[in-house]
Amino acid sequence: ELKVEQNPLFLSMQEGKNYTIYCNYSTTSDRLYWYRQDPGKSLESLFVLLSNGAVKQEGRLMASLDTKARLSTLHITAAVHDLSATYFCAVVSLQNSGGSNYKLTFGKGTLLTVNP
Amino acid sequence: KAGVTQTPRYLIKTRGQQVTLSCSPISGHRSVSWYQQTPGQGLQFLFEYFSETQRNKGNFPGRFSGRQFSNSRSEMNVSTLELGDSALYLCASSLDSWAEAFFGQGTRLTVV
Repeated sequence: ELKVEQNPLFLSMQEGKNYTIYCNYSTTSDRLYWYRQDPGKSLESLFVLLSNGAVKQEGRLMASLDTKARLSTLHITAAVHDLSATYFCAVVSLQNSGGSNYKLTFGKGTLLTVNP
Repeated sequence: KAGVTQTPRYLIKTRGQQVTLSCSPISGHRSVSWYQQTPGQGLQFLFEYFSETQRNKGNFPGRFSGRQFSNSRSEMNVSTLELGDSALYLCASSLDSWAEAFFGQGTRLTVV
């Protein structure tokens, strides 16, 4: 069964600093998503990474995917308070060989707090 | 275009009761997945429906069931509610199970 591990699970950082969240997964996949969740809210799609070496950037966030290492990173540049939220990675895996039946498996999430 | 709509937003039920949650996906999306989110277990996959058929099922007891209608709307049912069923239930819609999933606002279920 696919395992998705995020680290750190908790991240407290100061405004203006840089940091990286890591997402490791246990089986082959070339499709990974990053989501953001604010307290009491639903999940908002941030990035869709579809192939090895994919890099996407939006504002202060940049996501990348290395399918050979089974690793995705979410890099935060010059953090601001508005980025405080929980960030999830989700990996797409094939459920049965020869089929077209896929499933999303989520990491446990990284709770990011950006302090002034 | 309209997003994913879940109803109701909040529910309080008593142990032993049953509950039905509803999800209307984005127009054109045929895949609907359900997730349970709790502080301790995180986001756990319940099941996925595509064109009225359940294609995937997570590791939940048979008390959790669902269905999908011809218009892709989906319902999830939990019978014989237990205190541990208290959670945020999220519905996600997508073109297919491999595609980007868009989430509804969720239904907050509290079992007392």
